[in-house]
Amino acid sequence: ILNVEQSPQSLHVQEGDSTNFTCSFPSSNFYALHWYRWETAKSPEALFVMTLNGDEKKKGRISATLNTKEGYSYLYIKGSQPEDSATYLCALETSGSRLTFGEGTQLTVNP
Amino acid sequence: EPEVTQTPSHQVTQMGQEVILRCVPISNHLYFYWYRQILGQKVEFLVSFYNNEISEKSEIFDDQFSVERPDGSNFTLKIRSTKLEDSAMYFCASSRQTAAKNIQYFGAGTRLSVL
Repeated sequence: ILNVEQSPQSLHVQEGDSTNFTCSFPSSNFYALHWYRWETAKSPEALFVMTLNGDEKKKGRISATLNTKEGYSYLYIKGSQPEDSATYLCALETSGSRLTFGEGTQLTVNP
Repeated sequence: EPEVTQTPSHQVTQMGQEVILRCVPISNHLYFYWYRQILGQKVEFLVSFYNNEISEKSEIFDDQFSVERPDGSNFTLKIRSTKLEDSAMYFCASSRQTAAKNIQYFGAGTRLSVL
């Protein structure tokens, strides 16, 4: 059974703090690693799709890195804002269609 | 911006009843998916669908489940005889293509409560 792990499970930071979370996955049969941002009662929003070892992607204050050889990805948020509060999900793509999700990291940014 | 829409947002049903969850994928997308999240657990893949056929399904997707694209816009998930353990948030997603790098766009989900 494929296991995607995310840590920490939850995180509370102050506005302005920078933070990061981890997604770890088995490195065999890797196709792509997806990051989603999910606010309660809304659709999960795609942040990044990463495929190459050493990939680094950036969207505003959020960036992500990928290490396929050791099987992990980091998501960084610089200068957290209250509107960054959400659950951040990573998902491993190992076939043409199926995504296997981690449990998510629930981020709360206090003003 | 195009989005995946799901109806209803919350469905309550009695055990043993049939339910149909509806989704309207993004209009130029060709690949469609259903996922679910039981409360407190991970989001799990159920099924993918392309060219009017199931292309992949998980072990969860047994004979009680079926999917259909009844017209050019809707994509439905039917559960024939609901069980208590089918209570979950069900997400529909669509993508333009399959394979790596292709984003799956998710709807906001339908919360199914089986009583």
